[in-house]
Amino acid sequence: AQSVSQHNHHVILSEAASLELGCNYSYGGTVNLFWYVQYPGQHLQLLLKYFSGDPLVKGIKGFEAEFIKSKFSFNLRKPSVQWSDTAEYFCAVTNYGGSQGNLIFGKGTKLSVKP
Amino acid sequence: DAGVTQSPTHLIKTRGQHVTLRCSPISGHKSVSWYQQVLGQGPQFIFQYYEKEERGRGNFPDRFSARQFPNYSSELNVNALLLGDSALYLCASSSRDRATGELFFGEGSRLTVL
Repeated sequence: AQSVSQHNHHVILSEAASLELGCNYSYGGTVNLFWYVQYPGQHLQLLLKYFSGDPLVKGIKGFEAEFIKSKFSFNLRKPSVQWSDTAEYFCAVTNYGGSQGNLIFGKGTKLSVKP
Repeated sequence: DAGVTQSPTHLIKTRGQHVTLRCSPISGHKSVSWYQQVLGQGPQFIFQYYEKEERGRGNFPDRFSARQFPNYSSELNVNALLLGDSALYLCASSSRDRATGELFFGEGSRLTVL
């Protein structure tokens, strides 16, 4: 069965620090990969997605993620975080061509950015 | 534009009771998915409906059921509630039935079972 592992439960950074959140998935076939974000008091929203092509994907608010197939990883990065990036981040995967509703989510990483 | 709307936002039930949660998708979206998010965990897939047909079901007992109406709104029903059913129930809509786009989530219905 597919699964997603997010290595960090809670990350605390100061503003302007660089961010990297780890995500590994287990699935042998072609996958679609997503990062969703949930800001305090708001609903889950898509940050970025990878389906095919350039393994370096750029999303909203300066976030990017790199798909490394050999490592089954899809880590999220941002060069310089802001206080407004405080949120919970979820990595998710679905098999290529699979039902869009059937996303497998990781447990999430809570990011706290100190001003 | 209205996003995905869910009702009720909060509710408290006792063990053994039944609950119905409702979801209205974004206008024009024909796919609705339901997820359960237990505290400290990521969302877990329960059901997907597209054009009123069930397209996927997660690893949940038969106490969980859902349906989609002609206007694409959806209901999630849970019978014989257990304490472990306490969770945030998320509804998500999308314009397609396949993994070609993004899911738009509602703010959820928080269910507490006492």
